[in-house]
Amino acid sequence: AQSVTQPDIHITVSEGASLELRCNYSYGATPYLFWYVQSPGQGLQLLLKYFSGDTLVQGIKGFEAEFKRSQSSFNLRKPSVHWSDAAEYFCAVANNAGGTSYGKLTFGQGTILTVHP
Amino acid sequence: GVTQSPTHLIKTRGQQVTLRCSSQSGHNTVSWYQQALGQGPQFIFQYYRKEENGRGNFPPRFSGLQFPNDSSELNVNALELDDSALYLCASSLKSGGKETQYFGPGTRLLVL
Repeated sequence: AQSVTQPDIHITVSEGASLELRCNYSYGATPYLFWYVQSPGQGLQLLLKYFSGDTLVQGIKGFEAEFKRSQSSFNLRKPSVHWSDAAEYFCAVANNAGGTSYGKLTFGQGTILTVHP
Repeated sequence: GVTQSPTHLIKTRGQQVTLRCSSQSGHNTVSWYQQALGQGPQFIFQYYRKEENGRGNFPPRFSGLQFPNDSSELNVNALELDDSALYLCASSLKSGGKETQYFGPGTRLLVL
């Protein structure tokens, strides 16, 4: 069964500092991997996704993530955090079944990011 | 984008509820997720071209429909207190070999 672990429940950084959010997955085949962001009271917004190819993936809002198969990881990074990045971040893995790349998504528990001015 | 209605809902235990999701034309895949407070979303089921295309660990009292216009409903019978959560739908569109998925803002359900 697929699973996702986000080891950090809450991370606090200063504005302008770099950020890395950790994600480890368990999946039998080549995974489809995603990072989403959720602001309070909002739905989920896709930041970036990895299906295949280059293991360093660029996303929106200056985020990037690196797929490391040997470590079963897909960590999210940003070189300089802005106050508007404060939100909850979810890593997810999909089983890409049934004709869609967005099959059953299994999400981690999320990491809440607080940004200090 | 994807819209969901209602935005908030309060029900009592044992009642039934219907949640709705509307997306742009051509979004032929729709998925429903339950997000309990402080948790990540959990997959309920997915519909692809009007047929159920995968189901998570949810009992049969959670059921769904996808309509010809690609809108969708989630029905929950015999509501329990633990059904209190944010319910999210997501629809995806394949075009030119590329697939894009959008989440709606969710319906927050409180069961008393």
